[in-house]
Amino acid sequence: GQNIDQPTEMTATEGAIVQINCTYQTSGFNGLFWYQQHAGEAPTFLSYNVLDGLEEKGRFSSFLSRSKGYSYLLLKELQMKDSASYLCAVTTDSWGKLQFGAGTQVVVTP
Amino acid sequence: GAVVSQHPSRVICKSGTSVKIECRSLDFQATTMFWYRQFPKQSLMLMATSNEGSKATYEQGVEKDKFLINHASLTLSTLTVTSAHPEDSSFYICSATTSGGGDTQYFGPGTRLTVL
Repeated sequence: GQNIDQPTEMTATEGAIVQINCTYQTSGFNGLFWYQQHAGEAPTFLSYNVLDGLEEKGRFSSFLSRSKGYSYLLLKELQMKDSASYLCAVTTDSWGKLQFGAGTQVVVTP
Repeated sequence: GAVVSQHPSRVICKSGTSVKIECRSLDFQATTMFWYRQFPKQSLMLMATSNEGSKATYEQGVEKDKFLINHASLTLSTLTVTSAHPEDSSFYICSATTSGGGDTQYFGPGTRLTVL
């Protein structure tokens, strides 16, 4: 079966750094996405990794190791508006079908 | 670019009625659209994959006769919840992609369905 695991919740203070880990075991791999979702809203795209290594985009970076079935999303210089759920999703087929993890709720405190 | 809209954003209906939700890609042609359902404090669960001009592919456990999907054009897919019941109350979200595979999926804003 498909398994995508990420922590349920993480708390950090404004200005700090938080790393959200995601491990996956899927039948096939076509890329890994990170999305941000605020309560009651649809997910917004943050990053996409298909090759091993680090992708940096401003305050957000995402890392992938395909051999380990592992990714992380790094959020730097945390702001209050970063409080949201962060979803790790793996695409396993040519149609781009996404399998989502349960999401990690990040709480940023003053 | 890459904007996906959904209509309606919120709907309340009586048990037994049918509800249609539209998903449109506004500035690109979507070869594939996906429909998800999200219950409170849970992640998105894929319901079905919809390709323009062909029948939708449903995930295991999703009743195709209850959740009718029509992908009539490259910019429009509709989900009809037939004979809705309170347990169908959920947040329904569509996404669209141009070529599948590793292409980014762009999500619509979601439709909050409440069945009384």
